Amino acid sequence: EAGVTQSPTHLIKTRGQQATLRCSPISGHTSVYWYQQALGLGLQFLLWYDEGEERNRGNFPPRFSGRQFPNYSSELNVNALELEDSALYLCASSPGSGNTGELFFGEGSRLTVL
Amino acid sequence: GENVEQHPSTLSVQEGDSAVIKCTYSDSASNYFPWYKQELGKRPQLIIDIRSNVGEKKDQRIAVTLNKTAKHFSLHITETQPEDSAVYFCAATPSGNTPLVFGKGTRLSVIA
Repeated sequence: EAGVTQSPTHLIKTRGQQATLRCSPISGHTSVYWYQQALGLGLQFLLWYDEGEERNRGNFPPRFSGRQFPNYSSELNVNALELEDSALYLCASSPGSGNTGELFFGEGSRLTVL
Repeated sequence: GENVEQHPSTLSVQEGDSAVIKCTYSDSASNYFPWYKQELGKRPQLIIDIRSNVGEKKDQRIAVTLNKTAKHFSLHITETQPEDSAVYFCAATPSGNTPLVFGKGTRLSVIA
């Protein structure tokens, strides 16, 4: 069974540009989570989607946004990129909201902002 | 909201020794406490978890203990091996309708 897949693996942008990251969850999983992993800061929660709806949002500015498609895949958009947005962006999936259990992570998309 | 503190940030042990990583949480309603291991360049993977109705859980060389009164939980690795070298993250959540909150991670180095 395929795990969580993310694309692109690496992305280089300049300040002010926009970045779009994509995630495909494990088949049958309806919840998708986005976390930012910046150096020394651990995994910081960004966004959570379930059944196409945004369920929760972390303490990030509005220029971080996303959506979930009918097939449960998701994309994360970061507008007006800043240098401090450089990080590994991890997507995770789970069977659905209300399930307190394992999150299955993808390998991540490394965003570099120059 | 929930806040998770993790210590130490780095830990070096000799192969065969034990390693202990400690976490504290702030939300007394939290009831699920997983531990993830992230090897260099790899995805975080669940290694063990514990729920609030259990005080201790073991899986071979790995154990987790939970003290709900003090709001802290710990990861214990015995007989450490070089392949245990990785970053370990603790996490907590009050319910299935809130996302996992992670600690900042502990970089464990096992020296052969």
